[in-house]
Amino acid sequence: SAVISQKPSRDICQRGTSLTIQCQVDSQVTMMFWYRQQPGQSLTLIATANQGSEATYESGFVIDKFPISRPNLTFSTLTVSNMSPEDSSIYLCSVEGGEAFFGQGTRLTVV
Amino acid sequence: AQKITQTQPGMFVQEKEAVTLDCTYDTSDPSYGLFWYKQPSSGEMIFLIYQGSYDQQNATEGRYSLNFQKARKSANLVISASQLGDSAMYFCAMRELRGSNYKLTFGKGTLLTVNP
Repeated sequence: SAVISQKPSRDICQRGTSLTIQCQVDSQVTMMFWYRQQPGQSLTLIATANQGSEATYESGFVIDKFPISRPNLTFSTLTVSNMSPEDSSIYLCSVEGGEAFFGQGTRLTVV
Repeated sequence: AQKITQTQPGMFVQEKEAVTLDCTYDTSDPSYGLFWYKQPSSGEMIFLIYQGSYDQQNATEGRYSLNFQKARKSANLVISASQLGDSAMYFCAMRELRGSNYKLTFGKGTLLTVNP
């Protein structure tokens, strides 16, 4: 099973600023996934990040708001740009694999 | 139509009793996987158990078992001998394997409370 380290674990940010979330995997993986969980809601996929190509975004999510980097097979970042209180959520990264493991999550509060 | 349906927003169980959390799914893909996750108040997603669509036997992992009824498209999670630490949100999820898209679709979750 993959071990996924995600940071920061939580942050409180001012509206209008940006936050970059990092996801490090202990093994090489082709696909990494970024999910958002709004308060009291289920998880929704933001985008799929493949190494060497642009991320594929789900309906309702755009690159300008959630730019993603995938510089190698073990690392990815998600940036939440120009934040508003509506961006307050838990953001989680996940990797492909039989059992679909997740990072510890980043609990973001925008004030 | 929702792909994953969890009809129980909340469930209560007495410590040491067994509890079943319901999950039904909808797919036309013959190849798929079903997952259950536990999410405590800390927010992390803890993988519990996996069932593949072609698996002949129900999956088991310690106190967790998955009651897989393919014809009914249901994948209920059974937790035996509940413990206070089992109190958490539980999510059912599906991965459809057609087109090699590995993304997960989640249900809305069930909040389980274990009473002493």
